[in-house]
Amino acid sequence: AQSVAQPEDQVNVAEGNPLTVKCTYSVSGNPYLFWYVQYPNRGLQFLLKYITGDNLVKGSYGFEAEFNKSQTSFHLKKPSALVSDSALYFCAVRDKGGAGSYQLTFGKGTKLSVIP
Amino acid sequence: GAVVSQHPSRVICKSGTSVKIECRSLDFQATTMFWYRQFPKKSLMLMATSNEGSKATYEQGVEKDKFLINHASLTLSTLTVTSAHPEDSSFYICSALGLAGAYEQYFGPGTRLTVT
Repeated sequence: AQSVAQPEDQVNVAEGNPLTVKCTYSVSGNPYLFWYVQYPNRGLQFLLKYITGDNLVKGSYGFEAEFNKSQTSFHLKKPSALVSDSALYFCAVRDKGGAGSYQLTFGKGTKLSVIP
Repeated sequence: GAVVSQHPSRVICKSGTSVKIECRSLDFQATTMFWYRQFPKKSLMLMATSNEGSKATYEQGVEKDKFLINHASLTLSTLTVTSAHPEDSSFYICSALGLAGAYEQYFGPGTRLTVT
């Protein structure tokens, strides 16, 4: 079965500094990886995905993620953090479920706090 | 982008009553929808996968008779929590896949259920 690990429950970063939210994965076959963001009492918003191609994936709101096959990692990054980036971030891997359709397996989430 | 709505956004009900939550894809047809449950400060737990016109596939440990899922059309899936108890209080989120084989799930804004 596929799995995703987000080793940090919380990441604190000063506004304007670069941020990294870590994610490692375990899959059989080719990994299809995703990042989602969740604001309080809201659903998840899609940020970016890696399916194939360039290892550096650019997504919404200035976020990017680097796929590293040898380290089985897919860390989320942003060059300059904003206070409005403070939210809960989920890494996910596509998995094939019992219904035959592709479902997502999520990491436990990392709370990002950007300090003014 | 694809938009998924949920109704209601918040609901408070008494123990023993049933509550229906609707999930709609507003600008695309969703062959597959998913229902998740999220506990405070926790990740999303997949409850079931719903394919239009067929029975939902429930994850292990999820009671199908308690959480009734109906995917009657390509734009609507409903989750009915029957005979609700306080322990059913949670944040319920739906998501939808567009075309068959599509990669991204589009998430609804979530429904906060409180059972008193």
